[in-house]
Amino acid sequence: LAKTTQPISMDSYEGQEVNITCSHNNIATNDYITWYQQFPSQGPRFIIQGYKTKVTNEVASLFIPADRKSSTLSLPRVSLSDTAVYYCLVGGNDYKLSFGAGTTVTVRA
Amino acid sequence: DTEVTQTPKHLVMGMTNKKSLKCEQHMGHRAMYWYKQKAKKPPELMFVYSYEKLSINESVPSRFSPECPNSSLLNLHLHALQPEDSALYLCASSQDRGADYGYTFGSGTRLTVV
Repeated sequence: LAKTTQPISMDSYEGQEVNITCSHNNIATNDYITWYQQFPSQGPRFIIQGYKTKVTNEVASLFIPADRKSSTLSLPRVSLSDTAVYYCLVGGNDYKLSFGAGTTVTVRA
Repeated sequence: DTEVTQTPKHLVMGMTNKKSLKCEQHMGHRAMYWYKQKAKKPPELMFVYSYEKLSINESVPSRFSPECPNSSLLNLHLHALQPEDSALYLCASSQDRGADYGYTFGSGTRLTVV
C-alpha cells in the first residue's frame, strides 16, 4: 500500500486557486493517483485521476511530476461550495485501499 | 444510471435489534464495498465483494454480516450492535476491483445505536 500524506487543512477565499499536494513516496509502478471530494454526511465523490504528467477535467487539474512521488490537485477559482474534505488515494490493483486523513479545505467569502 | 443508492438514509436501532442496510447500483460494476466512517475521520474499509464473492473482510466483528444477493445489490445485516458502532455507513462500487477503476459512493446510511 502506498501511504499518502496531505496537509490537514487549507483556507482560501472565493475566486482563488487552491493547490493541495499529496506525498506518496512509495508509489508502485502500476499505481494510479485518484482524488475524491467529500461533503459532510455524503459519500466521497470522484474528482480526477491520473498516472503521470498533467490531467485536466471540467472541475480540476492534477499535476504529477516525473518521479510520481507526489501529486498536486489544483482547484481553479474556488467558490464557497468547494468547502469540503479532499482525499488523495494511490493504488492500482490493490482493492484494500485505505483513505488517508484528507485535507479540509475551507473557502471564505 | 450512474448512482449508488443506499437505504435507509437514517437508522436508529437498539442494541438488541436486527436491521439491514441496502445498497444498489445499475452501472454493471462488478466490485462493491462497505465502508464505515466516524465523525471527522476518513472512511474505513469493512468488506469487499468482487463478482458477488466476498474478497475482503477487514477483521470486522461478526455482528456485521454482509450479503451480495446479485451483482447489483449489497446488504449489510446488523445484529447486537454497540453504541460505538454508530457511524455513517457508505457503500461504493467500481467497474472491477482495484483503485484504478475509481469508486462511486452512495450517500450513506447514518446509523445511531441506542
